Amino acid sequence: AQSVTQLDSHVSVSEGTPVLLRCNYSSSYSPSLFWYVQHPNKGLQLLLKYTSAATLVKGINGFEAEFKKSETSFHLTKPSAHMSDAAEYFCVVSDWVSGNTPLVFGKGTRLSVIA
Amino acid sequence: EPEVTQTPSHQVTQMGQEVILRCVPISNHLYFYWYRQILGQKVEFLVSFYNNEISEKSEIFDDQFSVERPDGSNFTLKIRSTKLEDSAMYFCASSLGTEVTEAFFGQGTRLTVV
Repeated sequence: AQSVTQLDSHVSVSEGTPVLLRCNYSSSYSPSLFWYVQHPNKGLQLLLKYTSAATLVKGINGFEAEFKKSETSFHLTKPSAHMSDAAEYFCVVSDWVSGNTPLVFGKGTRLSVIA
Repeated sequence: EPEVTQTPSHQVTQMGQEVILRCVPISNHLYFYWYRQILGQKVEFLVSFYNNEISEKSEIFDDQFSVERPDGSNFTLKIRSTKLEDSAMYFCASSLGTEVTEAFFGQGTRLTVV
């Protein structure tokens, strides 16, 4: 069975400094991994996904994540935080077999960006 | 850009009442989903729907819940007799379902049972 652990419930950074949101996963198969972001009163938006191609995945808004199988990690990073990055971030794993396969979410990390 | 839309954004209902949450998935998508997030907890899978029938469901999705695609565009979640513990944010999602395409989520409906 899959599971996801987001190691920090809340991360606070200053504008212009790097962002690191940590995620560890557990999966029986070769997983697909995603990061979703949720801004207040908005839906869940896909930031990036890993599907067994390149281990370093680039997403929207300057975010990227690196799949490290040996560490079972998929941490999300961004070199320089912007005020608009303040949101809730969810790490998600899927042992994708078909379109029916459920996504398994982490508890989320709330990112605050201080001016 | 196509998007998944959900209505209402917030629903307050009395315990024991029936509630229907509505979703309009992206038009060419084939798979439809409901997830929920109880305040302070993880987003949890409820059900997936394909080819006009339920294809997967979780333990949460008991006989109190049902889903329907009544007219080819809407996708609804019905809770027959709401309980206090049904209070949550409910997310609808849809996907093409080919290879590992991402699911596109709506903005959610916050259900409050009083």
